[in-house]
Amino acid sequence: DAMVIQNPRYQVTQFGKPVTLSCSQTLNHNVMYWYQQKSSQAPKLLFHYYDKDFNNEADTPDNFQSRRPNTSFCFLDIRSPGLGDAAMYLCATSEREVSYEQYFGPGTRLTVT
Amino acid sequence: AQSVAQPEDQVNVAEGNPLTVKCTYSVSGNPYLFWYVQYPNRGLQFLLKYITGDNLVKGSYGFEAEFNKSQTSFHLKKPSALVSDSALYFCAVRALGTYKYIFGTGTRLKVLA
Repeated sequence: DAMVIQNPRYQVTQFGKPVTLSCSQTLNHNVMYWYQQKSSQAPKLLFHYYDKDFNNEADTPDNFQSRRPNTSFCFLDIRSPGLGDAAMYLCATSEREVSYEQYFGPGTRLTVT
Repeated sequence: AQSVAQPEDQVNVAEGNPLTVKCTYSVSGNPYLFWYVQYPNRGLQFLLKYITGDNLVKGSYGFEAEFNKSQTSFHLKKPSALVSDSALYFCAVRALGTYKYIFGTGTRLKVLA
């Protein structure tokens, strides 16, 4: 089945130690998103790619970076995680003007110790 | 500014009774509206959408939603609630002219046996 895959599902990192979260999709969708979600709050958009065009949200901290080497993969890099970065990170995709809805991965729960 | 409001943090309903989860929106132009469900420690799962056409939209798991342009609402409904429907529900709207989605704050649905 076509899907959005996130690895790992659970990640523990130390304060200040760089961490990378990965997302892959078999849907061949043009648009990929990274969200941060804390404590059952609304997902907060960090950035999104339309193909290779990167779109950063104005309030996304510089500590967060992203890479999309090809259509299928997208990475979230947190350069120096702080305790406040502990959250669920959700990857999602959408297909331009075809189906409109987003398809979400299962999420990666990040713990910072 | 475009926004989505979910006025209820939690909705409790007895199993077998009809349920309604409320959503109102404020957008420029014709809205693209969505409902998602989230189970604990999982990503968001698409339930249904309104893009154009009939105001009553049917989706997954017996859910439906009614688009009401005059009241700028898109309430989620189900005729007979199941205990397994207990989850966190998010309403979302796609921001005009972008690939960004604005989420409501979420409503926790609790179906009591």
